[in-house]
Amino acid sequence: QSVLTQPPSASGTPGQRVTISCSGSSSNIGSYTVNWFQQLPGTAPKLLIYTNNQRPSGVPDRFSGSKSGTSASLAISGLQSEDEADYYCAAWDDSLNGVVFGGGTKLTVL
Amino acid sequence: QLQLQESGPGLVKPSETLSLTCTVSGGSVTSSSYFWGWIRQPPGKGLEWIGSISYGGTTYYNPSLKSRVTISADTSKNQFSLKLRSVTAADTAVYYCARAGGAWSRFDYWGQETLVTVSS
Repeated sequence: QSVLTQPPSASGTPGQRVTISCSGSSSNIGSYTVNWFQQLPGTAPKLLIYTNNQRPSGVPDRFSGSKSGTSASLAISGLQSEDEADYYCAAWDDSLNGVVFGGGTKLTVL
Repeated sequence: QLQLQESGPGLVKPSETLSLTCTVSGGSVTSSSYFWGWIRQPPGKGLEWIGSISYGGTTYYNPSLKSRVTISADTSKNQFSLKLRSVTAADTAVYYCARAGGAWSRFDYWGQETLVTVSS
């Protein structure tokens, strides 16, 4: 069981807006920044959102992140078929003295 | 452009030591504010952080693996390495090396996937 909790799956139709949640505690999300990763099938993960809501160069502005208290969210607007992938959140955890990942959310574009 | 290249055996026998090396090009393992980590992903499962080493040599390990893991850096070769002792079939996974910039969990560059199978 992962320290950060994500829904195992999410889905949407092209053009729709989808959100993926990441729930933690005061020792991780409540105290540290959250990063999101996108993993396309058969490839290495890619940094999608860093420091809660910042996009690396090259990431479309359809992707956005937010954090409130001990939870964070990833939103994808204008859903496209190429967004079908696994998404992971991650943060530092004080209690474990290490990095924790969410269990991952498989996004399906219907 | 930073690149990370993993190397090491793809097959390890049970009870032996898994050893992987990540060679960094286009950057230095001693660059301040960067951390170098290992992450793994068992087949069909999610990401699991194994451990990281800072530019200054400080290491942090996943508590569930800490007793079996050592991460070290060879600054002369611009490499960092993973050793996982006493492996079992449960250690079969794709292993990634990655750089984290600005925060320990902000992995902004990843190596290519390396599948390591533990089997006799």
